[in-house]
Amino acid sequence: DAEITQSPRHKITETGRQVTLACHQTWNHNNMFWYRQDLGHGLRLIHYSYGVQDTNKGEVSDGYSVSRSNTEDLPLTLESAASSQTSVYFCASQRDTGELFFGEGSRLTVL
Amino acid sequence: AQSVTQPDIHITVSEGASLELRCNYSYGATPYLFWYVQSPGQGLQLLLKYFSGDTLVQGIKGFEAEFKRSQSSFNLRKPSVHWSDAAEYFCAVGEMTGFQKLVFGTGTRLLVSP
Repeated sequence: DAEITQSPRHKITETGRQVTLACHQTWNHNNMFWYRQDLGHGLRLIHYSYGVQDTNKGEVSDGYSVSRSNTEDLPLTLESAASSQTSVYFCASQRDTGELFFGEGSRLTVL
Repeated sequence: AQSVTQPDIHITVSEGASLELRCNYSYGATPYLFWYVQSPGQGLQLLLKYFSGDTLVQGIKGFEAEFKRSQSSFNLRKPSVHWSDAAEYFCAVGEMTGFQKLVFGTGTRLLVSP
């Protein structure tokens, strides 16, 4: 079955370190998204991509970057991790009819 | 820009009772509307969606939602709640002009009492 996987599922890092969260989908969807989930804020969009070599900023993109070199992967990089980036991160890919399919999340703790 | 309001942060319902979760959206044209459910430690799962046509849509797990354009609402309902329905529920809105990013509400946590 097609799926979307995130790794690592849990990560603890220190302030100032670079962190990359991986996202891989096997549906061949063009559209992929990264959200962060925080109590009281729901899901907020970080970055998104509508296809290979396309990336766009979401509402909370500061401190994050993404790259899209193939259809299957959209890695999220925190260039210099900050405590404010402690969160649960969700990757999603979008079907042609608009629905998002989510990974199981990556819990990041920045100490 | 689109926005979604879920006015209830928490709701407690007795098992077997009916449920209604509120969702109001702000968008100038006809939107795509979705309800997702998230169990603890899990990703979000699609419950149902509205694109066009019949304003009452049926989803999985016995849920339904009604699109009311005049009220800018898309409330989620279930006639009889089961303990396994305890989870967090998110409403989301997307633009119909192409396949666009979704905007999510802040969620409603459903607690089910015995």
